[in-house]
Amino acid sequence: GAGVSQSPSNKVTEKGKDVELRCDPISGHTALYWYRQSLGQGLEFLIYFQGNSAPDKSGLPSDRFSAERTGGSVSTLTIQRTQQEDSAVYLCASSFGSWAGANVLTFGAGSRLTVL
Amino acid sequence: GENVEQHPSTLSVQEGDSAVIKCTYSDSASNYFPWYKQELGKGPQLIIDIRSNVGEKKDQRIAVTLNKTAKHFSLHITETQPEDSAVYFCAASKGGSYIPTFGRGTSLIVHP
Repeated sequence: GAGVSQSPSNKVTEKGKDVELRCDPISGHTALYWYRQSLGQGLEFLIYFQGNSAPDKSGLPSDRFSAERTGGSVSTLTIQRTQQEDSAVYLCASSFGSWAGANVLTFGAGSRLTVL
Repeated sequence: GENVEQHPSTLSVQEGDSAVIKCTYSDSASNYFPWYKQELGKGPQLIIDIRSNVGEKKDQRIAVTLNKTAKHFSLHITETQPEDSAVYFCAASKGGSYIPTFGRGTSLIVHP
């Protein structure tokens, strides 16, 4: 596609419910990232996928968070048993994944999650 | 791992003034330094970047400078306009790692 597409754009859920956030990256981009942006905070790295390699899950804050990427394209971030502190904007980005370091990320508009 | 510090967290200027945002990094192996602009309700977007073999790069009203010895880099915006109001993020990355490290962001407010 022309850009990184995320859905839903807004999600309101009750504490304890599970949520799924979807990311459709740019066609041809092998690398896919999930970041979390809390109110007034920076970009918190969550997880990274590169091709068929095992994902880098080092940023996931707890075992309630998981993500998968099917067929090297679409990714789903799942948050189980949501807590109020999970309220944030979840940003997805994709790139060509340059090993040389000049790795330009293209971000989606984000999914705003509100946990009541 | 890499650590990127960004200052100030908030910057308020009058239209037409210049704005400077500064970042420092800790890993001397970092070799690529992008800047992203995030407008309200949107994802961050790359506006300019610089590689470690270059000391300065300009693109119209924006410029980035890099001091490898001191391990700091800066974003300069001249003749600021209200549409420059946004959150700006610096980042650092290096060969052998796909994951850039971001600063905490600077909220730039340009008053008309």
